[in-house]
Amino acid sequence: QSVLTQPPSASGTPGQRVTISCSGSSSNIGSYTVDWYQQLPGTAPKLLIYSNNQRPSGVPDRFSGSKSGTSASLAISGLQSEDEADYYCAAWDDSLNGWVFGGGTKLTVL
Amino acid sequence: EVQLLESGGGLVQPGGSLRLACAASGFTFSSFAMSWVRQAPGKGLEWVSVISYSGAGTYYADSVKGRFTISRDTSKNTLSLQMNSLRAEDTAVYYCAKLSSSSVYHPMDVWGQGTTVSVSS
Repeated sequence: QSVLTQPPSASGTPGQRVTISCSGSSSNIGSYTVDWYQQLPGTAPKLLIYSNNQRPSGVPDRFSGSKSGTSASLAISGLQSEDEADYYCAAWDDSLNGWVFGGGTKLTVL
Repeated sequence: EVQLLESGGGLVQPGGSLRLACAASGFTFSSFAMSWVRQAPGKGLEWVSVISYSGAGTYYADSVKGRFTISRDTSKNTLSLQMNSLRAEDTAVYYCAKLSSSSVYHPMDVWGQGTTVSVSS
């Protein structure tokens, strides 16, 4: 069981907007910023969003992040087939003195 | 180009040891914190350990504390993970990751391709 809670799956059709939630607690999301990682099939994870809502260079602005209290969310607008991947949220946890990841959300583009 | 290349994975018996290495290039290795993250077959990402830019600060997941040791060699631009008392549940792909700053609280902005560790008799 992961410290950060994500839905195991999400889906949408091309062009749609989908959101993925990430729920934590005061010791992680409540105290630290949230990062999101994208893992395409058979590849290494890639940083997608950092510091709640910042995009690294090269990440399309279709991807956005937000945080409120002890929860965060990732939004993908204008869904494309190449967005089909696993998405993970992560944050530092004060109680565990280490990083914690969500269980991951598998996004399917129908 | 920033690159991380892991090595050292393989098949090991339960109770055995293995040492993973991550060769870093394309950036000033001594200025950034580094981390190991693993992924068991068909499972999600699990953080394993992180080390500060200087090596003075090291942190471990409870699942590996006391069995794994993270270290860095600035002269060789290499990150290492010494794994002892290996268990079946340590079977996973191990990724090396660079953090975006000297601090261990910053995101992992570059990842290696991973090395596979299998623990089985």
